[in-house]
Amino acid sequence: EAQVTQNPRYLITVTGKKLTVTCSQNMNHEYMSWYRQDPGLGLRQIYYSMNVEVTDKGDVPEGYKVSRKEKRNFPLILESPSPNQTSLYFCASSLQSQGGYEQYFGPGTRLTVT
Amino acid sequence: GNSVTQMEGPVTLSEEAFLTINCTYTATGYPSLFWYVQYPGEGLQLLLKATKADDKGSNKGFEATYRKETTSFHLEKGSVQVSDSAVYFCALSTNAGKSTFGDGTTLTVKP
Repeated sequence: EAQVTQNPRYLITVTGKKLTVTCSQNMNHEYMSWYRQDPGLGLRQIYYSMNVEVTDKGDVPEGYKVSRKEKRNFPLILESPSPNQTSLYFCASSLQSQGGYEQYFGPGTRLTVT
Repeated sequence: GNSVTQMEGPVTLSEEAFLTINCTYTATGYPSLFWYVQYPGEGLQLLLKATKADDKGSNKGFEATYRKETTSFHLEKGSVQVSDSAVYFCALSTNAGKSTFGDGTTLTVKP
């Protein structure tokens, strides 16, 4: 089954404790992206990657890191989480095409930072 | 930068009513436009898309037309069902990889 998986689905942590949210896709997509969803703010793009070893900042990259060492994986790293990073996070992937990026989303990771 | 503005919700309709959710955008160049739907507790799913001016995207009775002159991509459905209750997001993406989403509009359809 074609899918994007994220782990963990739920995470409660404390300020300053490094964490990684994993994202994996099995569709051989070049493009992957991370978003955060907050009430009243819609989805905001954190980072995206056009291909292996190529990453770019989205609209809200502060406090986050990413890496793209393999095509299928795109982990999101919070080196020193803070309470304002409490949010619902989505990973997405897409084939690159002239028709823009039609994205497939993972199920989401709900992160709480206390 | 790019931006997407959706009509504010929530929207409550009776079953079989006509639905319109307005979406306007600001972008440089020629973005592709999308509507995504999010059911409770799930990730977003693509509903429909349009990649150039005057294209009409359609799926499951929903339609939207890419209007470059008015920079709009309004979502319409002629007869909604209870099962259409969800959050709807308008979005654009550029060939450079950046994606911009609207704030989402919550639709509730009552029997």
